[in-house]
Amino acid sequence: SQQGEEDPQALSIQEGENATMNCSYKTSINNLQWYRQNSGRGLVHLILIRSNEREKHSGRLRVTLDTSKKSSSLLITASRAADTASYFCATDASPRGRNQFYFGTGTSLTVIP
Amino acid sequence: DAGVIQSPRHEVTEMGQEVTLRCKPISGHDYLFWYRQTMMRGLELLIYFNNNVPIDDSGMPEDRFSAKMPNASFSTLKIQPSEPRDSAVYFCASSSSDRVENTGELFFGEGSRLTVL
Repeated sequence: SQQGEEDPQALSIQEGENATMNCSYKTSINNLQWYRQNSGRGLVHLILIRSNEREKHSGRLRVTLDTSKKSSSLLITASRAADTASYFCATDASPRGRNQFYFGTGTSLTVIP
Repeated sequence: DAGVIQSPRHEVTEMGQEVTLRCKPISGHDYLFWYRQTMMRGLELLIYFNNNVPIDDSGMPEDRFSAKMPNASFSTLKIQPSEPRDSAVYFCASSSSDRVENTGELFFGEGSRLTVL
């Protein structure tokens, strides 16, 4: 299966600390994305990193990609209570024009005020 | 824009009944995806359409599941007959070709929570 796997499954930190989540996948990819899901809601796209990129930033988010290890990490700096959510990585390994995005099982992040 | 609209938000039904979930994608989007989310298996891609045509339905679990997209603004996912193991949250997501190619961004609805007793 192409499905990614996030690690850890659950993470609890104090507000202001940094949160790091990891994603591993099995086959070569075109790109990798991170999504956020608040409880009872749909997923919201956060950031995409392409297979030829190693690091990307967006606000308090920093994503790295190591294609040799087939892994990615999402770092949220200076966390806030509002960052409490589940975070998913999604991989796209499909041939061009056939867009199939496979999601992992997610990391549940709790930020304690 | 109203975003992706799914209905019903919650459905409780009995085993053996037919269930129809509905999705209205964002206007102008030409990709539509159906996902199923459970605690055990996470998010599973069931089927996706491009320009109303099913491209890949290899994720559809059984013949009891079927999906249609009769036009660009409407899609249904039908389960007949339903079973307790079908209980899950079903998400519809849409996107446009340029977004998919450039950012990979999918826009998700709020989901339909299905409980089969």
